Amino acid sequence: EVQLLESGGGLIQPGGSLRLSCAASGFSLRNYAMSWVRQAPGKGPEWVSAISGSGDRTYYADSVQGRFTVSRDNYMNMLYLRMSSLSAEDTAVYYCAREILVGYSTHFDYWGQGTLVIVSP
Amino acid sequence: QSVLTQPPSVSGAPGQRVTISCTGSSSNIGADYDVHWYQQLPGTAPKLLIYGNNDRPSGVPDRFSGSKSGTSASLVISGLRTEDEADYYCQSYDRTLTAHVFGAGTEVAVL
Repeated sequence: EVQLLESGGGLIQPGGSLRLSCAASGFSLRNYAMSWVRQAPGKGPEWVSAISGSGDRTYYADSVQGRFTVSRDNYMNMLYLRMSSLSAEDTAVYYCAREILVGYSTHFDYWGQGTLVIVSP
Repeated sequence: QSVLTQPPSVSGAPGQRVTISCTGSSSNIGADYDVHWYQQLPGTAPKLLIYGNNDRPSGVPDRFSGSKSGTSASLVISGLRTEDEADYYCQSYDRTLTAHVFGAGTEVAVL
């Protein structure tokens, strides 16, 4: 059974840093690109970042470019998101999601349960 | 403001058919990127409902169907059931933003 389990969220002051983790099980992580998707309270999901299966290519939304860093450890079946210079606009539930590429279109077939990040003084 | 536009809410009686629209532009849906749909029950993560415009993952009832035309897509729920009360999101890719994009979501209420 495919499972994704995020951790590392919490309350952080503006300007602070946080590292989120996502533990993958039930599949070989190295065979899949992965994404981080966040959802602010009462809003729709927002794609944040993606990383290729080997980890050699990374992608970011403009809203987090230069502040967030995605990485992975395929041996440990772990995905990470390092977040810095956090502001209130980064408050959201953060999900890791497995990517499926069909043709040149990507969808997300499995999502974790999410970890809540609250940026507040 | 989301790149993909959805109605905030739709409603219907049990057994009825409801349609949720997702309107994009020439840089996303109209650029021939597929549209995918997710269902989010209260307090849970989004769940893949439709991928590739009209394909259903294993386990998704055939009451759910999708279509795409031009710069828009639609999700149809036939034979509405109380357990279909949830938020529904469309997703595609935008080549101008070079980002995966989601709609703001549509809340489905079963009257």
